[in-house]
Amino acid sequence: SQQGEEDPQALSIQEGENATMNCSYKTSINNLQWYRQNSGRGLVHLILIRSNEREKHSGRLRVTLDTSKKSSSLLITASRAADTASYFCATDRMDSSYKLIFGSGTRLLVRP
Amino acid sequence: KAGVTQTPRYLIKTRGQQVTLSCSPISGHRSVSWYQQTPGQGLQFLFEYFSETQRNKGNFPGRFSGRQFSNSRSEMNVSTLELGDSALYLCASSRQGTANTEAFFGQGTRLTVV
Repeated sequence: SQQGEEDPQALSIQEGENATMNCSYKTSINNLQWYRQNSGRGLVHLILIRSNEREKHSGRLRVTLDTSKKSSSLLITASRAADTASYFCATDRMDSSYKLIFGSGTRLLVRP
Repeated sequence: KAGVTQTPRYLIKTRGQQVTLSCSPISGHRSVSWYQQTPGQGLQFLFEYFSETQRNKGNFPGRFSGRQFSNSRSEMNVSTLELGDSALYLCASSRQGTANTEAFFGQGTRLTVV
């Protein structure tokens, strides 16, 4: 079963705009990670945020984590056509470590 | 530094056959996990190994098994293949497990069962 739900399921924006994706989960976590996947290929690790952190930045990426609401968001600023991909959040649960539980993903299309 | 290597990249098998997939983790990483990705079920955890010991297992039938060698390389085996086993199988490696560090994924093995 999947721990998280992501919304929106699909997002279409113009190049240069910002893209925001949200992830909700159900149980307490050790950390939350975001991944990108291009056309059914391998997952590329983007960023990890620990349960005691509220915000992290990496280049054009900004991730927030609200453990009280059990939710996270991924913001991609100044999007590029190359950002077109599926984005997944994955949680490492406190009650079942050593595995990641993935959300359903957001398909992002950045139009040139 | 070399990434996670999965072989083969593509595989076509017939129902009833068995298959073995291989994963070589990033050097220095001792934890290897396996995931199955299908359009219907998304990404699902299969199992995780650390220092040759299975530490966690997902909800898959016993036809799915795995092992890890002393050099941290891992294999997973699926016996008596069914059509529903067609999927992208992804391997991930991390230093000690996903509770503390990032997991890095290979390109996957796409298995088609006919």
